[in-house]
Amino acid sequence: EVQLVQSGAEVKKPGESLKISCKSSGYSFTSYWIGWVRQMPGKGLEWMGIIYPGDSDTRYSPSFQGQVTISVDKSINSVYLQWSSLKASDTAMYYCARSKNPYGLTDGFDIWGQGTMVTVSS
Amino acid sequence: DIQMTQSPSTLSASVGDRVTITCRASQTISSWLAWYQQKPGKAPNLLIYQASSLESGVPSRFSGSGSGTEFTLTISSLQPDDFATYYCQQYNGFLWAFGQGTKVEIK
Repeated sequence: EVQLVQSGAEVKKPGESLKISCKSSGYSFTSYWIGWVRQMPGKGLEWMGIIYPGDSDTRYSPSFQGQVTISVDKSINSVYLQWSSLKASDTAMYYCARSKNPYGLTDGFDIWGQGTMVTVSS
Repeated sequence: DIQMTQSPSTLSASVGDRVTITCRASQTISSWLAWYQQKPGKAPNLLIYQASSLESGVPSRFSGSGSGTEFTLTISSLQPDDFATYYCQQYNGFLWAFGQGTKVEIK
């Protein structure tokens, strides 16, 4: 079964660092792009960035460039989203999602993780 | 950046109704548009890709159309399981943008 399994909910204080994960299984991990999407409480979806595990090519939304880091560990089929200094405004649900098409990015994202809730509060 | 404007923001409808949601792009995006359904507490689910291609396993009452700057998602006969929030998503050269969402509520 093709699936993305994300790490569990996190509660952090402002200024702390955090790295959440998205573990893939059931398909060729290095052949599909994986993206990250933010959903703040009660709000819509925001695309954050995307990585190609095959060569670690990473692209960020201008809104998130410099605010987060996306990385990959091919040895364990996992993609990560990292913050160096969290803010209260980072409180949100974060989803990873796989591109439907291994040859391009035009077909949307067909497999989604279950989401990781990040709460940042003093 | 390309902006996506969905309308309406909220839609009240009854079971069996035909429902149409519109997504307008601030500039031409060819047909690189997808539609998702999201239920409370769940991850989004891909319904339509490349504007009009039905994702495998999605009921045929869902359909998509459009190109350029205007796109529509149609549910031909609304079912109880369809009450949810729907998002469009455009792709343009390593940049994606979601519409703000349309919540379909029970009338």
